[in-house]
Amino acid sequence: AQSVAQPEDQVNVAEGNPLTVKCTYSVSGNPYLFWYVQYPNRGLQFLLKYITGDNLVKGSYGFEAEFNKSQTSFHLKKPSALVSDSALYFCAVRDRAGGYNKLIFGAGTRLAVHP
Amino acid sequence: EAGVTQSPTHLIKTRGQQATLRCSPISGHTSVYWYQQALGLGLQFLLWYDEGEERNRGNFPPRFSGRQFPNYSSELNVNALELEDSALYLCASSLARDGEAFFGQGTRLTVV
Repeated sequence: AQSVAQPEDQVNVAEGNPLTVKCTYSVSGNPYLFWYVQYPNRGLQFLLKYITGDNLVKGSYGFEAEFNKSQTSFHLKKPSALVSDSALYFCAVRDRAGGYNKLIFGAGTRLAVHP
Repeated sequence: EAGVTQSPTHLIKTRGQQATLRCSPISGHTSVYWYQQALGLGLQFLLWYDEGEERNRGNFPPRFSGRQFPNYSSELNVNALELEDSALYLCASSLARDGEAFFGQGTRLTVV
């Protein structure tokens, strides 16, 4: 069965410092991987995705993520954090195997960027 | 281009009643997903519809049901409401079965 793990409930970063939000996954086939961000009382906004190709994926708002097949990880990164990046971040995966597959989300990581 | 729209924004029901939540996907998207997000928690997968059929269902009791209409809009019905059904219900749509999903703003259901 496919699953996603976000090992940190919360990540605290000082403004201007680099940030990393961790995600590991488990699928039976090759994965499609996604990152979303959620601001308070709002729906999720799509940030970026990995389908195939270059392991470093660039997305919205200066975020990027690195796909590592051997470590089954897809960590979200940003070189310089902003206070406005403070939000709830979700990693998600689709398992290509089997054709019809749902999008499974991790539990979420709350990012707090301090001035 | 209009995004995913959900109605109503807020819904207050009493225990035992039924709730109907609606979702209109992005034009051209045939897949619709429903998720439940309880306060402060992650997203729990409820239902996935594609091309008018239910493709997958999460670990929820049968009183959670839904359907997808020929225009690909969708309804989520929750019967015999319980207090713990209070949550933000999110709908998402995608163009392809393997593409990214785009989310609506959600319906906040409160059961009192």
